[in-house]
Amino acid sequence: DAGVIQSPRHEVTEMGQEVTLRCKPISGHDYLFWYRQTMMRGLELLIYFNNNVPIDDSGMPEDRFSAKMPNASFSNLKIQPSEPRDSAVYFCASSLSLRREQFFGPGTRLTVL
Amino acid sequence: RKEVEQDPGPFNVPEGATVAFNCTYSNSASQSFFWYRQDCRKEPKLLMSVYSSGNEDGRFTAQLNRASQYISLLIRDSKLSDSATYLCVVADYGGSQGNLIFGKGTKLSVKP
Repeated sequence: DAGVIQSPRHEVTEMGQEVTLRCKPISGHDYLFWYRQTMMRGLELLIYFNNNVPIDDSGMPEDRFSAKMPNASFSNLKIQPSEPRDSAVYFCASSLSLRREQFFGPGTRLTVL
Repeated sequence: RKEVEQDPGPFNVPEGATVAFNCTYSNSASQSFFWYRQDCRKEPKLLMSVYSSGNEDGRFTAQLNRASQYISLLIRDSKLSDSATYLCVVADYGGSQGNLIFGKGTKLSVKP
């Protein structure tokens, strides 16, 4: 059974470019989460969806970040324009409910030069 | 701001040692508590949930103290493979909404 799938695994881009991170949750999971992890700030929740609807985006740093979930099997996180301080590991996770275990994808390591 | 605080460590212990981590949280309304484990350059994975009565899973024991707002994780007879970062997670819910906060993690290094 496939876990959470994320792509790309690594992304190196230049400041000002648009970055798109992709996630396929585990089939049947109603909740999808986007996190960002850095040494300084640890793991931060950016946004989460319930049944494809964004529920809480209060963790999204600023308007340069946007996330969508057009269907139950796909979500993307976009950064436009990207900045060096966006460099981090971005994780996607899914779960059956808020009270249940979250399953994380392998993450996308983003470097903005 | 609602916070979850952990000692970042690192905790350097010999094989076979017993080690304990604590985690404090600021929101007294928090409802669910978890410990996740994260290996270097890997994703976090659930280690165990933390129940009010305390719970044990093999060498791992988790306890919750609501009055003092802290959670603990005890690892007995530590193994080299226990080396990882341990993340404390605190959550509160209302309907379909919730607030999930991860601590920054405590790094454990078990030496031969």
